[in-house]
Amino acid sequence: DTEVTQTPKHLVMGMTNKKSLKCEQHMGHRAMYWYKQKAKKPPELMFVYSYEKLSINESVPSRFSPECPNSSLLNLHLHALQPEDSALYLCASSQDPRGNYGYTFGSGTRLTVV
Amino acid sequence: EDQVTQSPEALRLQEGESSSLNCSYTVSGLRGLFWYRQDPGKGPEFLFTLYSAGEEKEKERLKATLTKKESFLHITAPKPEDSATYLCAALTTDSWGKFQFGAGTQVVVTP
Repeated sequence: DTEVTQTPKHLVMGMTNKKSLKCEQHMGHRAMYWYKQKAKKPPELMFVYSYEKLSINESVPSRFSPECPNSSLLNLHLHALQPEDSALYLCASSQDPRGNYGYTFGSGTRLTVV
Repeated sequence: EDQVTQSPEALRLQEGESSSLNCSYTVSGLRGLFWYRQDPGKGPEFLFTLYSAGEEKEKERLKATLTKKESFLHITAPKPEDSATYLCAALTTDSWGKFQFGAGTQVVVTP
């Protein structure tokens, strides 16, 4: 298995909803990441899970919260989002937590907040 | 502040018309320069890693090169299936698995 699997592929949610995005990899990669990508913009790092520790980009609002139940799974919990949070959410993993071999990305979750 | 800039923003090519994309970087220390291809609504797909100036990598119609200030992605005799957004990303010596991405070059190849 050489993939990063993200579910769901599409999600529409209201501003009062609570939802979760799921990311799974079975390549034995030791680091996992959440990125947010707006149209025609580069991916922006949100969270890193590496060496069993979670690192947070301090500019990310608290309405996003990551959870790592085990080394193969990284969830992103969403609560009280704003329309400007609509974007493509990308999960990635890397064999080397230092990133030397690059990332394997999932196909993304297209999130629309209404 | 680390910065990665890609040009042009968009490129429209006729099938068979070769061209180059530029990725210039200003970073504290470069550990690697990565190229990815991204199709609409999909995650980026890894293409190449370059680690030192003078290094070159090739894959089918794509060739990536690296200097001390920039990287080029050359597309030779492109086909319509080469249409995509091409992202470059710098991995710096003081980052820990965190890439500095450029904004990408959107390439459209018409028959």
